[in-house]
Amino acid sequence: EAQVTQNPRYLITVTGKKLTVTCSQNMNHEYMSWYRQDPGLGLRQIYYSMNVEVTDKGDVPEGYKVSRKEKRNFPLILESPSPNQTSLYFCASRGQGAGANVLTFGAGSRLTVL
Amino acid sequence: GNSVTQMEGPVTLSEEAFLTINCTYTATGYPSLFWYVQYPGEGLQLLLKATKADDKGSNKGFEATYRKETTSFHLEKGSVQVSDSAVYFCALSLMDSSYKLIFGSGTRLLVRP
Repeated sequence: EAQVTQNPRYLITVTGKKLTVTCSQNMNHEYMSWYRQDPGLGLRQIYYSMNVEVTDKGDVPEGYKVSRKEKRNFPLILESPSPNQTSLYFCASRGQGAGANVLTFGAGSRLTVL
Repeated sequence: GNSVTQMEGPVTLSEEAFLTINCTYTATGYPSLFWYVQYPGEGLQLLLKATKADDKGSNKGFEATYRKETTSFHLEKGSVQVSDSAVYFCALSLMDSSYKLIFGSGTRLLVRP
């Protein structure tokens, strides 16, 4: 089944404790992206990657890092989480050709930073 | 700048009622427009899309028409079901290199039996 898989789905952590949210897609997509969803704000793009070793900032990149060493994986790294990063995070990927303007989303990772 | 405005929710309807969720946008250039749906505990799924003016997107009984003159993309369904209860997001994309989707704030729909 074609899908985007995120882990963990739920995480409670404390301020300053580094964490990584993993994202993997099995569709051979070149483009991947991270969004955060906050009440009343919809989803906002954090980072995106056009291909392996190519990443760029979205609208709200502060406090986050990403890497793209393999085509299928696009982890989101919070080096020193803070309470304002408490949010619901979504990873997404985009195909080429006929599917080029459609994003496939993961199920989401709910992060709470105390 | 580019933005999407959706009607505030929640929207509560009885089963078989007519649904309209309003969406207007501001964009430079010629955006593609989308409706995504988020069921409880799940990620977003594409519901329908339209890539140019006057296009009508449709899926699962939902429809939306790309109205350039009113910069709108309102979502409609003639007869809602309890299973349609979800959060609906309107979004636009300028199809540039970032392929960023700009989302509205979402509208929660609750359909009662």
